[in-house]
Amino acid sequence: QVQLVQSGAEVKKPGASVKVSCKASGYSFTSYYMHWVRQASGQGLEWMGIINPGGVSTTHAQKFQGRVTVTRDTSTTTVYMELSSLRSEDTAVYYCARSTASGYYDYWGQGTLVTVSS
Amino acid sequence: DIQMTQSPSTLSASVGDRVSITCRASQSMSTWLAWYQQKPGKAPKLLIYKASSLESGVPSRFSGSGSGTEFTLTISSLQPDDFATYYCQQYNSYSTFGQGTKLEIK
Repeated sequence: QVQLVQSGAEVKKPGASVKVSCKASGYSFTSYYMHWVRQASGQGLEWMGIINPGGVSTTHAQKFQGRVTVTRDTSTTTVYMELSSLRSEDTAVYYCARSTASGYYDYWGQGTLVTVSS
Repeated sequence: DIQMTQSPSTLSASVGDRVSITCRASQSMSTWLAWYQQKPGKAPKLLIYKASSLESGVPSRFSGSGSGTEFTLTISSLQPDDFATYYCQQYNSYSTFGQGTKLEIK
């Protein structure tokens, strides 16, 4: 069965970087897009970025310009999201989510809580 | 960017009620819209895609309609398990979510 398993919770200081992983299994890893979506406590969902099936092309929301990097390792079927220059407003649960070219998310990871605090 | 405006933000209803949630897009987007259900501490769950297509395994009491800029999620007869927060998502141009609708027990 399809599974997206994310890395564990992180606590970071302002200005640091965090790298969250999402290990995919149960499907053809190179046939699907992977997105990152975050959710601050009590707030809505916010799209951050995407990596295409070929792993060559990535796009991110303008809001995260220069701060977010999405990569993947085909050998381990793992996608990574790195967010730099962390600030307190980046405290949130970060989700990976799979899509086809259509763009809706049929499977999600369990979420990774990133806390940014001095 | 396409902005999504979801209403109401909170909806109080009883088991057995028929309820509807609306999502309006800032520009026309055909039927590239999905609906998700989220429960506390859990990832969102896909209910509807392409505005009106029911995801496999989702109960038939959930339905979606609309095209262009106005979309609706309807639950025909609320069940206890349906009390949750619902989000719309446009995927016509990357991705944007509505602000969410919290469905509460009256």
